[in-house]
Amino acid sequence: QVQLQESGPGLVKPSETLSLTCTVSGGSISDYYWTWIRQSPGKGLDWIGYIYYSGSTNYNTNYNPSLKSRATISVDASKNQFSLKLRSVTAADTAVYYCAKGDHSGSWYGWIDPWGQGTLVTVSS
Amino acid sequence: DIQMTQSPTSLSASVGDRVTITCRASQSISNYLQWYQQKPGKAPKLLIYAASSLQSGVPSRFSGGGSGTDYTLTISSLQPEDFATYYCQQSYTTLWTFGQGTKVEFK
Repeated sequence: QVQLQESGPGLVKPSETLSLTCTVSGGSISDYYWTWIRQSPGKGLDWIGYIYYSGSTNYNTNYNPSLKSRATISVDASKNQFSLKLRSVTAADTAVYYCAKGDHSGSWYGWIDPWGQGTLVTVSS
Repeated sequence: DIQMTQSPTSLSASVGDRVTITCRASQSISNYLQWYQQKPGKAPKLLIYAASSLQSGVPSRFSGGGSGTDYTLTISSLQPEDFATYYCQQSYTTLWTFGQGTKVEFK
């Protein structure tokens, strides 16, 4: 049973970089879509992006264009972790950030399960 | 980007009611459609994937249907633990998107 746990600072100053790590336990980090999603207080779910890691140096990333190239997702296979960096944050980036596993089977892909418990990141000076 | 529009935004229902939530995509998504349930303070939980496949462990009162641009999530007999917010999500393109959510409240 795969489990995910987010970690990182709960408070980030405006204009700085938000950095979060997700530790994957109970399964391999290869051959899945490792995903970040956020949810602003009282709002809906906002897909940030994913990294598909297929081993060694082979990976593919996709991001929500609304983030205007501020986001970077990477994998550290040796630690079974993946990370999110979001640059130049503003108060609008205050949200609960979830890491999750995107799954696939045959020609079907893109369902998200399981999710981490989420971590609140507040952007404030 | 593919836009996902859910309706209604909220609904009031009673235990035992049959409830249907609709999700419309801005273009055909060929059944690359998932449904999630979220309770307050908790992470979302996958209910349905590929439009109509029930995730393991999810009660059979939940079902999904539809095709093309229009999809539905049906709860055949609403239970007390089903009061929550439900989201659809498309994965037809490499840029995934969620609907805005439907809150199911107690009447």
